Order: sequence, then structure tokens, then C-alpha cells
Amino acid sequence: NAGVTQTPKFQVLKTGQSMTLQCAQDMNHEYMSWYRQDPGMGLRLIHYSVGAGITDQGEVPNGYNVSRSTTEDFPLRLLSAAPSQTSVYFCASSRPGWAVNNSPLHFGNGTRLTVT
Amino acid sequence: GQQLNQSPQSMFIQEGEDVSMNCTSSSIFNTWLWYKQDPGEGPVLLIALYKAGELTSNGRLTAQFGITRKDSFLNISASIPSDVGIYFCAGLKNSNSGYALNFGKGTSLLVTP
Repeated sequence: NAGVTQTPKFQVLKTGQSMTLQCAQDMNHEYMSWYRQDPGMGLRLIHYSVGAGITDQGEVPNGYNVSRSTTEDFPLRLLSAAPSQTSVYFCASSRPGWAVNNSPLHFGNGTRLTVT
Repeated sequence: GQQLNQSPQSMFIQEGEDVSMNCTSSSIFNTWLWYKQDPGEGPVLLIALYKAGELTSNGRLTAQFGITRKDSFLNISASIPSDVGIYFCAGLKNSNSGYALNFGKGTSLLVTP
């Protein structure tokens, strides 16, 4: 029972490099989202998607792009990494209407990114 | 995003003690959620609250959705070592662009045997 799978688990980038953080879920969840977690800041929403082909910005979208070509995958792209993007990134998914029908938001185990 | 003020920031208690933490906001939320995060893992949902005044239990955990819809608390009774972790409150508003959770900054709980 894989749930939400994030890869890689750890990554070090140099300033200006680009990379894609992968997120895949095998629960047929339509809702997927990306959060970043910084010390003392809690989790902040970057982007989310309510279904294939639909994405929207969260609280801190600058510097990140997303796409949703399939229900299963929701990659997060850093086009030109900056030290301020050093963080732990979490992907989360759930069924439609998860917020109001007692469906939990399932989180992956995170990708720890360091930008030097 | 909306600011959620979560307190205390950290707690260091002995096994068997009860724990109380809370979350307040200047804004109204439609849903309050409480999550626990273990080291190296993603948050896991503990309790979800959907109605003002609602009091919900999950084993030794009890949470309440404040009447004003601007606050929530989480109690843990008879703490055990495996309760160690970071507890997050999260508030949710429905908006035209869909659901977005706002998280508090977390309460770090340490339990000594």
C-alpha cells in the first residue's frame, strides 16, 4: 500500500540549477498539493490541484511551477533554485471534498532540499 | 495566508501527565484539523472538526472547535512516550479557488518516561 510517494528523499542543488520534485499517489485521489515546511513556520501551501489539467496557486507559489497531466502525478518544478528554497517539501493528496467529509489529507514523507 | 497562533511552542512533560495546546486566529475557519508529525515523516491527521462547538475524541485525544470559529484546542490525556512529536493545528476556509489549509507553527511535545 504505497500511498503518497515522493522522490528524491534528499537533494542538494547549487543556486540557479533546476530540478523536479516528484509526487505520485496510487489512491486515485483527485486533490493533490505541495507544501513547504521551514523551521518555526509550519507548513505553507505552494500549489494545489483539484484534478488532472487543473492547478492553482497557494500561499507561496513564486519560484515554483506545477502541472497535472495525470491523476496520479503532481510534479513540482524549481526553474532556478535559490537558497531561500532550502526547505522540506511535502506532497499531499485526498479525495474530492476532503475538507468537509472527514477524509484525511494523506502526506508523503517529504523531500529535503538544500540549495547552496 | 491567514495567521494561526499556536501555543505553546514546546512542552516537556512526564509520562502520565495531561497535555493541552490551542490554536487561535483573527479569522473564521469552516474546519479545524489537528495533525501529528513524527521525525522524518509527513503529518498524519488526528482529529477533524467541522462544526462550531463540536467536541470530538479519538482515544486519549480530545479536540474542540471554538464557538466563535476562531479557535480550537487539543487535549491529550495520560501521555505516553510515543506521543512525542510535533502537533499542528490547521484551519480551512472554502474559497472560490478550492480548499487551502493554513497551518499553525506547531507545538513540539517531549514526554519523558
